Amino acid sequence: QVTLKESGPALVKPTQTLTLTCTFSGFSLNALGMRMAWIRQSPGKALEWLARIDWDEDKFYSSSLKSRLNISKDTAKNEVVLTMANMDPMDTGTYYCARIDPVNDKAYFDYWGQGLLVTVSS
Amino acid sequence: EIVMTQSPATLSVSPGERATLSCRASDSVSTNLVWYQQKPGQAPRLIVYGASTRATGVPARFSGSGSGTEFTLTISSLQSEDSAVYYCQQYHNRYTFGQGTKLQIK
Repeated sequence: QVTLKESGPALVKPTQTLTLTCTFSGFSLNALGMRMAWIRQSPGKALEWLARIDWDEDKFYSSSLKSRLNISKDTAKNEVVLTMANMDPMDTGTYYCARIDPVNDKAYFDYWGQGLLVTVSS
Repeated sequence: EIVMTQSPATLSVSPGERATLSCRASDSVSTNLVWYQQKPGQAPRLIVYGASTRATGVPARFSGSGSGTEFTLTISSLQSEDSAVYYCQQYHNRYTFGQGTKLQIK
C-alpha cells in the first residue's frame, strides 16, 4: 500500500526558507524508474508543479521557481525534501508530494499525500 | 510551457444527466493527459490517465477521450458525490494543469 505524508512548518515569515519533508511507504525511490514530485495549490487556485527527483538523482524544476528550489532524497529514510528560499506571501498554499507512475517514461502523479497548508506571514 | 485551458469554469448539472468537461492544450500532448477530481479539503484523486483509461476503482460512468490538443471528460449519469473540481493535466512536457472546472449538482 502506497502512502505519502507531508510535514513541515505551517507558518513561515517572508524571506525565510521553507523546508518540507515527504515521508512515504509502499515503494522504494531506489527502484528503477521511480520518481517523485512536489506540487502546490494557492488558495482557491489551480495546481502548480514545482520539482521532481528521480531514482538516479536526476532533478527537474519549474522554470519560474528554479532559482529558489532544491529537491533531495534520503532513500534510507524513505523521504524526499523540498526547500524553497526567500518565501513570499504569494507562496501561501497547500503543498503536496506525489509519486509519479514508474511504468512509463512519460507519466503522471498516481499517488498524492494529503497536503500541508503553509502560510507566509510576518 | 504547454498551457492547459479548461471550459467551462463552472458547470451545473442535474442528477442523472450527462456532464461534459473540456480541456485544450496549447500544443500537442498526444494522449499524455490525466483528469483529477478534487473535493474540498482533499488531495486530487486520479480519475483518468492516458486520456481515456479509467484509474482503478473509478466508476464506469466516467470516461475520457481525445488526443493531441482537445480532450473531454464525460460523466454519463451524474451522482451527487460527483460534485467536485475537475482538473486536467498534461505530462507530455513537464507538468502543467488546467485551471479547473467546478461541477455542481443542481
